[in-house]
Amino acid sequence: AQSVSQHNHHVILSEAASLELGCNYSYGGTVNLFWYVQYPGQHLQLLLKYFSGDPLVKGIKGFEAEFIKSKFSFNLRKPSVQWSDTAEYFCAVISDSWGKLQFGAGTQVVVTP
Amino acid sequence: SAVISQKPSRDICQRGTSLTIQCQVDSQVTMMFWYRQQPGQSLTLIATANQGSEATYESGFVIDKFPISRPNLTFSTLTVSNMSPEDSSIYLCSVAGAGSSYEQYFGPGTRLTVT
Repeated sequence: AQSVSQHNHHVILSEAASLELGCNYSYGGTVNLFWYVQYPGQHLQLLLKYFSGDPLVKGIKGFEAEFIKSKFSFNLRKPSVQWSDTAEYFCAVISDSWGKLQFGAGTQVVVTP
Repeated sequence: SAVISQKPSRDICQRGTSLTIQCQVDSQVTMMFWYRQQPGQSLTLIATANQGSEATYESGFVIDKFPISRPNLTFSTLTVSNMSPEDSSIYLCSVAGAGSSYEQYFGPGTRLTVT
């Protein structure tokens, strides 16, 4: 079955620490990849996306993600987190024609001052 | 990006009743989607709603339980019928981006508690 796996369900780190969240998917063929973020009390927002081209994509708020096709991975990174990065992060994949987003389980990230 | 609103934002309902959730978009969109996010879990697609056609339901979701309307290009409703406590979830609508974009934009969600 097709699936999206996020390696960590809960991450706690201090401000200025580096963050990396793992995401792997099991689809073959062409994929479109996304990271969404849900800040406390807010709705789901698109953080960054990969469709094609440069496998290193940059998103909002200093986040970036790298698509490694051979590893079926799309890991999210930020070199130095802030308290305001406390949120839940979801990896999502579209593998077929238009619109069926498959989400990972999500990773709750807590950044302590 | 589209601006999406949902009503109600939250509700507490009794077992056996039904609730209709509204989703309004500030621009015309072809494709709208309804998702469910159960407590502690990720988002699961319920159905895709295109204007002028029947909604397409994902495996495990049926029209009798989750009837959907899509009367125009800016509005859709999802009804959760004959509710049970297992239906307690956040229900979200989303819309696809314009043109060739595969991006989806999400509404704020409706938090439903069934007692």
